[in-house]
Amino acid sequence: NAGVTQTPKFRVLKTGQSMTLLCAQDMNHEYMYWYRQDPGMGLRLIHYSVGEGTTAKGEVPDGYNVSRLKKQNFLLGLESAAPSQTSVYFCASRPGAGGHIEQFFGPGTRLTVL
Amino acid sequence: SQKIEQNSEALNIQEGKTATLTCNYTNYSPAYLQWYRQDPGRGPVFLLLIRENEKEKRKERLKVTFDTTLKQSLFHITASQPADSATYLCASSRGSYIPTFGRGTSLIVHP
Repeated sequence: NAGVTQTPKFRVLKTGQSMTLLCAQDMNHEYMYWYRQDPGMGLRLIHYSVGEGTTAKGEVPDGYNVSRLKKQNFLLGLESAAPSQTSVYFCASRPGAGGHIEQFFGPGTRLTVL
Repeated sequence: SQKIEQNSEALNIQEGKTATLTCNYTNYSPAYLQWYRQDPGRGPVFLLLIRENEKEKRKERLKVTFDTTLKQSLFHITASQPADSATYLCASSRGSYIPTFGRGTSLIVHP
């Protein structure tokens, strides 16, 4: 099992550019999450999904969109990147209700917006 | 909303000693408290979970306690090694699938 994988690992964007971060998991998990991690701020939830075709806003959703068209994939989109979106992005997954609640994290995507 | 507080100052200890990290929560008592380890440039990795009706949980050299009176969880690493150096995150959850993470405490174990 590859677990949770994220693509790309690094990316540099210019202000106003768009991009999509891909998260894939091969554990048949129901729940998936996107976090951003900034120095001194800890992990902050951007969006999450409790199943294929569902998405919901987290703590800091502005400037981001997500889609969960397939159970194993969770995409995070930046339509018009801003320097404030420079961060490390982590995807995580866990089994659904009644399953283990611990999250499995991907290796992260380091994004710089100039 | 729930807040999770972890000591922002790094904890420096000597190899072989016991490291103790603190996680304090405000507001409601979580149903679960989780501890994760994060190495530089990597994603967090789950270590231990303790439920609100449990006082203590152990796994090898790791021990977690949960004190609902003090609104606190303690994370202990006994016989610490330089390889234990990392940032340790605490997360709480109750009745939902959205955990609240603390900012983490950096542990540095000196040989």
